[in-house]
Amino acid sequence: EVELLESGGGSVQPGGSLRLSCAASGFTFSSYAMNWVRQAPGKGLEWVSRISGSGATTYYADAVKGRFTVSRDNSKNTLFLQMDSLTADDTALYYCARRPRTAMIDYWGQGTLVSVSS
Amino acid sequence: QSALTQPASVSGSPGQSITISCTGTSSDVAGYNYVSWYQQYPGKAPKVVIYDVTHRPSGVSNRFSGSKSGNTASLTISGLQAEDEADYYCSSYTSGTTLEVFGTGTKVTVL
Repeated sequence: EVELLESGGGSVQPGGSLRLSCAASGFTFSSYAMNWVRQAPGKGLEWVSRISGSGATTYYADAVKGRFTVSRDNSKNTLFLQMDSLTADDTALYYCARRPRTAMIDYWGQGTLVSVSS
Repeated sequence: QSALTQPASVSGSPGQSITISCTGTSSDVAGYNYVSWYQQYPGKAPKVVIYDVTHRPSGVSNRFSGSKSGNTASLTISGLQAEDEADYYCSSYTSGTTLEVFGTGTKVTVL
């Protein structure tokens, strides 16, 4: 059974940093591209980032480009999102998601909550 | 990259059919057959109901169908049931400055 378990969320002050992790199991992790998707409280879904199966290729939403870095450790079946220079607009539930094909997500984690406030 | 445009809400009576639109541009919806639709219940992670514009994943009811015309994709729910009451989001590949974009979301209410 495919499982995605996010961790690392929490409360941080504006300008601070957080590193999110996503532990994957139940599938060959290195064979799949992975996405980070976020959802602000009461708002819609927002695509954040994508990384290829090998980790060689990454993409970012304009809103996070230059501040967030996605990476993966295929030996540990773990996905990461390093978030720097956080602002209140980054407050959201962050989902880790498996991307088996273009613009399609078939499995989602339950999310980890990031709250940015002073 | 702006979000794809969806109606904020759509409603229908049990048994009826409803259609949710998703409007983009030539850089996303109109340019590629990579549109997906997701159903999300409150407090839950989304679930894909349509991918590649018209394809339905295994296990998803055949009451869900997708289509596209020009820069507008559509999700139709036939034989509306109480369990279909949820938020629905479209997404598309984009050749813009990012890679993928979601729609603004539509709340479906079963009257």
